[in-house]
Amino acid sequence: QLQLQESGPGLVKPSETLSLTCTVSGGSISSSSYYWGWIRQPPGKGLEWIGSIYYSGSTYYNPSLKSRVTISVDTSKNQFSLKLSSVTAADTAVYYCAIDSSSSSYWGQGTLVTVSS
Amino acid sequence: SYELTQPPSVSVSPGQTARITCSADALPKQYAYWYQQKPGQAPVLVIYKDSERPSGIPERFSGSSSGTTVTLTISGVQAEDEADYYCQSADSSGTYRVFGTGTKVTVL
Repeated sequence: QLQLQESGPGLVKPSETLSLTCTVSGGSISSSSYYWGWIRQPPGKGLEWIGSIYYSGSTYYNPSLKSRVTISVDTSKNQFSLKLSSVTAADTAVYYCAIDSSSSSYWGQGTLVTVSS
Repeated sequence: SYELTQPPSVSVSPGQTARITCSADALPKQYAYWYQQKPGQAPVLVIYKDSERPSGIPERFSGSSSGTTVTLTISGVQAEDEADYYCQSADSSGTYRVFGTGTKVTVL
């Protein structure tokens, strides 16, 4: 069973870049049946899909965030990462990493990122 | 932007049946997935591909699809089923994922 853990700064200043890493244990993330993604949840609100990257290398981002988001995978480290640039207070949220296949979904516990000066 | 619409809340007595709907134009073309989220926890997949149940998920959870609406049914609701539930699907091209607005299930 895959286990995911998000890591990165819990506090980011406005206009700076939010960077998070998801480290996977319990198995290899290198599978053609997997795709890797990030989801966020502002305090007290619903889930928002940020973007996904597929085994083929194709990336797909939420159109509302596309200009600011980059998702990448490092299979040699069993990690994938999120970068979100030019953050504002509206980007304050719990950020989750997830690995999905057609029949399963593994999520990290989530990490709260606060945007504040 | 593409949206999946869910009722904000559903209340049900223990042992009864809860039904949560999720509506959107592209649902006849794209699979729906359902997640359960309890306070302070990450979401857990309870239904995939409209009606399939992952291993470890109780049989009381089931999913169905009809036209532009998908439904999560919890039969014989238990107190532990009190949670927020989110549907998730994709736009008509299958490119962009989207989550529903979420439904809070309260067990009376």
